[in-house]
Amino acid sequence: GAVVSQHPSRVICKSGTSVKIECRSLDFQATTMFWYRQFPKKSLMLMATSNEGSKATYEQGVEKDKFLINHASLTLSTLTVTSAHPEDSSFYICSARAIAAGDTGELFFGEGSRLTVL
Amino acid sequence: GQNIDQPTEMTATEGAIVQINCTYQTSGFNGLFWYQQHAGEAPTFLSYNVLDGLEEKGRFSSFLSRSKGYSYLLLKELQMKDSASYLCAVMDSNYQLIWGAGTKLIIKP
Repeated sequence: GAVVSQHPSRVICKSGTSVKIECRSLDFQATTMFWYRQFPKKSLMLMATSNEGSKATYEQGVEKDKFLINHASLTLSTLTVTSAHPEDSSFYICSARAIAAGDTGELFFGEGSRLTVL
Repeated sequence: GQNIDQPTEMTATEGAIVQINCTYQTSGFNGLFWYQQHAGEAPTFLSYNVLDGLEEKGRFSSFLSRSKGYSYLLLKELQMKDSASYLCAVMDSNYQLIWGAGTKLIIKP
């Protein structure tokens, strides 16, 4: 099946620094990538929808200046958590929707990135 | 509003069968997904239903009734490794995924 690679899988940073997380579709092109955040014992929360070549669409309550999303190519989207604080510590997951004939709308998920802000 | 309902937790015995239900109310419908998630890991795709009926894939089957806004995930011959959270998600008319809170499945020997 299609593979989505997310990097880094774990990152620990100091408060006030910025962290970039990459999401790559390895064997398919993705016009749309989604970024999720998971809070402990809760389901995934959609943060934003990223479309290649255009600005991301953020969900209500998500600070776009804090969570910068770039989707520069059909195989790469990045999420940058700027000026990270301990409350930003979480599991961040990306998913990609493939462009393909007969596209079922299936999403393929990255492995997730666990961010810990000290 | 949009919402997905599924039980919070279920317990089953190794080797048995368990059915996890999911009901939904969404703005439009472009398919229903079931994902398995082990603690600390990203969800893994199990099934996708867009037409009514049963889709079978090995030990796992998924059923959809669009008129009832209802789906279930059926797991047969349960194994200890099936202990995980099972997430139901519906893609709405804008191709946004609406997620349920997940059902924690506990398998006992």
